[in-house]
Amino acid sequence: QKEVEQDPGPLSVPEGAIVSLNCTYSNSAFQYFMWYRQYSRKGPELLMYTYSSGNKEDGRFTAQVDKSSKYISLFIRDSQPSDSATYLCASPGFQKLVFGTGTRLLVSP
Amino acid sequence: DTGVSQNPRHKITKRGQNVTFRCDPISEHNRLYWYRQTLGQGPEFLTYFQNEAQLEKSRLLSDRFSAERPKGSFSTLEIQRTEQGDSAMYLCASSLAAGEGIQYFGAGTRLSVL
Repeated sequence: QKEVEQDPGPLSVPEGAIVSLNCTYSNSAFQYFMWYRQYSRKGPELLMYTYSSGNKEDGRFTAQVDKSSKYISLFIRDSQPSDSATYLCASPGFQKLVFGTGTRLLVSP
Repeated sequence: DTGVSQNPRHKITKRGQNVTFRCDPISEHNRLYWYRQTLGQGPEFLTYFQNEAQLEKSRLLSDRFSAERPKGSFSTLEIQRTEQGDSAMYLCASSLAAGEGIQYFGAGTRLSVL
């Protein structure tokens, strides 16, 4: 079992939709959680990070962590075609990041 | 541009050849990481440095792979006797040792072994 699991998608939505991207993790030692966005043939770009359970909002993006169920979510409001990318969740495990496989999101105009 | 810089962006080589990639981290970052990413997968950790010391190596880093970070600045990743299975995106990231240690990634070097 991988330490961080994600549905690889692709997830296709129309422009303006609310998008929900999810991860589960198995290691109870994970304390921080990050969401990275990766455009095709580019490096991952940090979107959000969160430490505790609960919600963290930044513009159209909301990150949610539920440590009791080991569940991480990223919500994107008013999705745009420019949001089309792969979204990777990650957690630092002993100095290195442990990533999920990434979920590919396609937002059509 | 003060981000993480990687060169070359794309390397095509024949099986059996040696290749070397370079990473220049964000200048004030003392930690530097190498990851490998294959199609449809998330990045996988290879190794990391704090200053010039290589502190951890993954089991993915076979003896054909070697990484250095002389003087704690830029880093190089060398792959000897490349194999087709080495074809991947090689990503470099850097961070501060203190605080949350958020890692910032470069654009990567895409290796194609023919």
